Amino acid sequence: DTGVSQNPRHKITKRGQNVTFRCDPISEHNRLYWYRQTLGQGPEFLTYFQNEAQLEKSRLLSDRFSAERPKGSFSTLEIQRTEQGDSAMYLCASSLTGAVTGELFFGEGSRLTVL
Amino acid sequence: GEDVEQSLFLSVREGDSSVINCTYTDSSSTYLYWYKQEPGAGLQLLTYIFSNMDMKQDQRLTVLLNKKDKHLSLRIADTQTGDSAIYFCAESYNQGGKLIFGQGTELSVKP
Repeated sequence: DTGVSQNPRHKITKRGQNVTFRCDPISEHNRLYWYRQTLGQGPEFLTYFQNEAQLEKSRLLSDRFSAERPKGSFSTLEIQRTEQGDSAMYLCASSLTGAVTGELFFGEGSRLTVL
Repeated sequence: GEDVEQSLFLSVREGDSSVINCTYTDSSSTYLYWYKQEPGAGLQLLTYIFSNMDMKQDQRLTVLLNKKDKHLSLRIADTQTGDSAIYFCAESYNQGGKLIFGQGTELSVKP
């Protein structure tokens, strides 16, 4: 297993366009998380799934953001009608329920630039 | 509330010890973590500590936890230029598995 994989690594789009990011977690991990990181800040929690169920969403996740994990494996994060304030690194992480440390394993992120 | 605070920058000379500090607010946190982020790379777990522990040592890393003051520190002994990175403190929250991160401390190691 090569770890958490995210695609695309970098997306440049014009304001108002829709974008979608994909995350493939570590195969046996049942939990999947989305975070957003802007320059000079720590990762901010957006949402997480346990299997197919979306268990928690942050107030940061406006109506323009939607995340899915239809089969409990990969996940997509869609941003509709992008705004310049959406420019950030979107990080995906996965973990295994019941693991001793509760460690989250992170992907390298998908950088979004909204022009 | 959820809030994790860190100082933003630390500069040390190679071979010195580095101490990175963090304060957190959620007294119900079960685990506290230190993650490292190098340029262009994902976050990697460095070490963690149970909330019922005061100290944990792992090779060059020493984590100290003061639960009364909700203060966590990471000491890196014999700091090397390869330790230059951003270090994030994080707390687990509400047993739900999500982590709340601080804003990160950028460690610069000068030769």
